[in-house]
Amino acid sequence: KQEVTQIPAALSVPEGENLVLNCSFTDSAIYNLQWFRQDPGKGLTSLLLIQSSQREQTSGRLNASLDKSSGRSTLYIAASQPGDSATYLCAVKADSSYKLIFGSGTRLLVRP
Amino acid sequence: EADIYQTPRYLVIGTGKKITLECSQTMGHDKMYWYQQDPGMELHLIHYSYGVNSTEKGDLSSESTVSRIRTEHFPLTLESARPSHTSQYLCASSANEGGDGYTFGSGTRLTVV
Repeated sequence: KQEVTQIPAALSVPEGENLVLNCSFTDSAIYNLQWFRQDPGKGLTSLLLIQSSQREQTSGRLNASLDKSSGRSTLYIAASQPGDSATYLCAVKADSSYKLIFGSGTRLLVRP
Repeated sequence: EADIYQTPRYLVIGTGKKITLECSQTMGHDKMYWYQQDPGMELHLIHYSYGVNSTEKGDLSSESTVSRIRTEHFPLTLESARPSHTSQYLCASSANEGGDGYTFGSGTRLTVV
């Protein structure tokens, strides 16, 4: 059974810092991995989608990497801003299912 | 603009009432999903659909039901709301089996009093 773990559960950093959020999954047979952002009480906003054949994706200050063999993905946020404060969720689409399996998220606070 | 819409955004309703949460998408996606999320907690899949007239129960048992009569529409119904149904309900869709990611709606926050 696929399990997704995110570390750390919470993170507080001063504005301007570069930071890394970690995601690990137990079964390397995945179709893709998706990073989402969720603001309190809101829906999910897709940040980056990495296909199983890809190693990384970039969008603005965000860079996500994928290492299937080790079951790991990282989300790198450069020059963090207070507006980046949110919960960041990692999710994998398993090989034999349409379903997304979510991690429990990392709550990020960027202090001005 | 292609998107996925959920209504209402917030709903406060009395115990025993029947409610329907609406979800519509304009992207022509075949696959649609309902997730339930309690505050600060993980998302749990409660229903999904592969296409018209196809519905399946998800990983988390739910007293709600769904229907998929049209590709773009995937409503969720609670026949008799209870306080234990208080939660956030998130609808999502995806285009094909492997390649495309999920697109989520803004969610419906349901409170049953």
